[in-house]
Amino acid sequence: SAVISQKPSRDICQRGTSLTIQCQVDSQVTMMFWYRQQPGQSLTLIATANQGSEATYESGFVIDKFPISRPNLTFSTLTVSNMSPEDSSIYLCSVEEESLAQFFGPGTRLTVL
Amino acid sequence: QQPVQSPQAVILREGEDAVINCSSSKALYSVHWYRQKHGEAPVFLMILLKGGEQKGHEKISASFNEKKQQSSLYLTASQLSYSGTYFCGTPSYTGTASKLTFGTGTRLQVTL
Repeated sequence: SAVISQKPSRDICQRGTSLTIQCQVDSQVTMMFWYRQQPGQSLTLIATANQGSEATYESGFVIDKFPISRPNLTFSTLTVSNMSPEDSSIYLCSVEEESLAQFFGPGTRLTVL
Repeated sequence: QQPVQSPQAVILREGEDAVINCSSSKALYSVHWYRQKHGEAPVFLMILLKGGEQKGHEKISASFNEKKQQSSLYLTASQLSYSGTYFCGTPSYTGTASKLTFGTGTRLQVTL
């Protein structure tokens, strides 16, 4: 299975600022996904990122708030813009392998003050 | 529509069995199962691709009832290492993109 790393692992940010989260995969993958997981809750898909095309956002998530880049088949970034305390959460990237299973990065724990 | 899991939480003694259910209001074509330990990322357990399929992974197995739009995860002779939150995931496909909708989750705690 793919090995996925995320940076940063955690951060504490001030309201109104932005944070960019990086996701690096050790192999080329077509589909990458970004999820948000609030404490004690399930995972909510933010967007799907395919290399070479615009990310596809889920209902309730917009590009201006969560811009995503996917410059190649091993890397993606998610930016959380103009943050508020409600954005405090764990952000996870994942990849889909040929088996259709998804494998997750370790997550980025974000706290917004 | 998020799949609903039951029970929400369960506490077991080591060696006991548990069943976790996942129900969808939409037609199911396949079901994923994941386990997430506290402070860690979810880990893939198994995928069931067709109705009636049953799969096993050590002492963890699952079944998929396509007609009832349900899947069940069976944990037998539970071990301390089985503790965590279990999520089912139901895929949907739009054009060339696929995505998973995760269930509400079941928190499992195994004690001595």
